[in-house]
Amino acid sequence: GAGVSQTPSNKVTEKGKYVELRCDPISGHTALYWYRQSLGQGPEFLIYFQGTGAADDSGLPNDRFFAVRPEGSVSTLKIQRTERGDSAVYLCASSSLGALIEEQFFGPGTRLTVL
Amino acid sequence: AQSVTQLGSHVSVSEGALVLLRCNYSSSVPPYLFWYVQYPNQGLQLLLKYTSAATLVKGINGFEAEFKKSETSFHLTKPSAHMSDAAEYFCAVSDLNAGNMLTFGGGTRLMVKP
Repeated sequence: GAGVSQTPSNKVTEKGKYVELRCDPISGHTALYWYRQSLGQGPEFLIYFQGTGAADDSGLPNDRFFAVRPEGSVSTLKIQRTERGDSAVYLCASSSLGALIEEQFFGPGTRLTVL
Repeated sequence: AQSVTQLGSHVSVSEGALVLLRCNYSSSVPPYLFWYVQYPNQGLQLLLKYTSAATLVKGINGFEAEFKKSETSFHLTKPSAHMSDAAEYFCAVSDLNAGNMLTFGGGTRLMVKP
């Protein structure tokens, strides 16, 4: 079956613009995670959904970042008033039950560049 | 709070040589530990995970890791490196107090010389 997909694969925008990044999890996976990976670093947690609700959004850096998952499947990460420091690869992952020992399956990421 | 330290951002080995990638963690509760591999332009792929069953964990592609509580370590090894092992490797930890998020180390880029 299909893995986690993310669109677009690359996004270039100008400082101050609004962007949306999309994640399609593996069908049937109830848990969905967003991470951000800056150049030369490991991924950093942003937000976790269990179903439609955000169970943990403690990793969102500020109120310019917001994510939704209205039907418990596809998720969109929204960034307002983008800044150059937002440039990174944004990774999405999903897992079947959201339990700790369940494997998180990662998508290929969206590379965001803010000019 | 949890943290993961990977010693050595770059490791170079010859084909056929032993691979050793180091990972030390900090966690106030018994941890769940993971190793992920990232090939260029691909997503992270799980190599293996420790969930308190056996301290020596075997993963895919001939990799294994040993959980040592006394050393707070979870080093990744492979007896004989292949060219195809060249990639970025990430160690990660998760625990009950942190919900379901993974805390990753900074990664180690493995280079394999012919």
